[in-house]
Amino acid sequence: GIQVEQSPPDLILQEGANSTLRCNFSDSVNNLQWFHQNPWGQLINLFYIPSGTKQNGRLSATTVATERYSLLYISSSQTTDSGVYFCAFDDSGYALNFGKGTSLLVTP
Amino acid sequence: DAGITQSPRHKVTETGTPVTLRCHQTENHRYMYWYRQDPGHGLRLIHYSYGVKDTDKGEVSDGYSVSRSKTEDFLLTLESATSSQTSVYFCAARGPDTEAFFGQGTRLTVV
Repeated sequence: GIQVEQSPPDLILQEGANSTLRCNFSDSVNNLQWFHQNPWGQLINLFYIPSGTKQNGRLSATTVATERYSLLYISSSQTTDSGVYFCAFDDSGYALNFGKGTSLLVTP
Repeated sequence: DAGITQSPRHKVTETGTPVTLRCHQTENHRYMYWYRQDPGHGLRLIHYSYGVKDTDKGEVSDGYSVSRSKTEDFLLTLESATSSQTSVYFCAARGPDTEAFFGQGTRLTVV
């Protein structure tokens, strides 16, 4: 199956800092999306981004399908951004598979 | 939660007993999924469904079965629960080429 590498695995930021999270894929993927799991365990879809760039407030995401990677940008981070960020994809089937995640802690 | 409800939210059960978790969605999504989440393993796919009565195995399907008799409900059954199946279980749903939404999760403890 397709391998996905999320980086970095862990990240600590001071409030106000910017960060870039990355997913690299071993082959072409479909239906790329990014999720945030908050400290209470809730999983929220941030972006559905099979290609191109999208922005939502302080967050933006870019997927370069031909280069097999996707990026999630967090600007002016806040403590509420803490949690785990996952990328997810399917490999032209129906299964939706997840990377291992980036654990982010934003300190005051 | 985008109309996805998991029940129960918490359950403690004894080793060897059967357990069924329910996922109910109100948005008529075609695809539904069951995942388990354990420390250090992220979200691992157990089973998924691509239509009524159409299901397939994910990477960690041993010891689990599923059923989808109608669009809105996707059931996950542990035939004979073991301590290794203690986990947090998440259900998700999506349409073709659309974003996925998750339920709130079910914390299952097998003692």
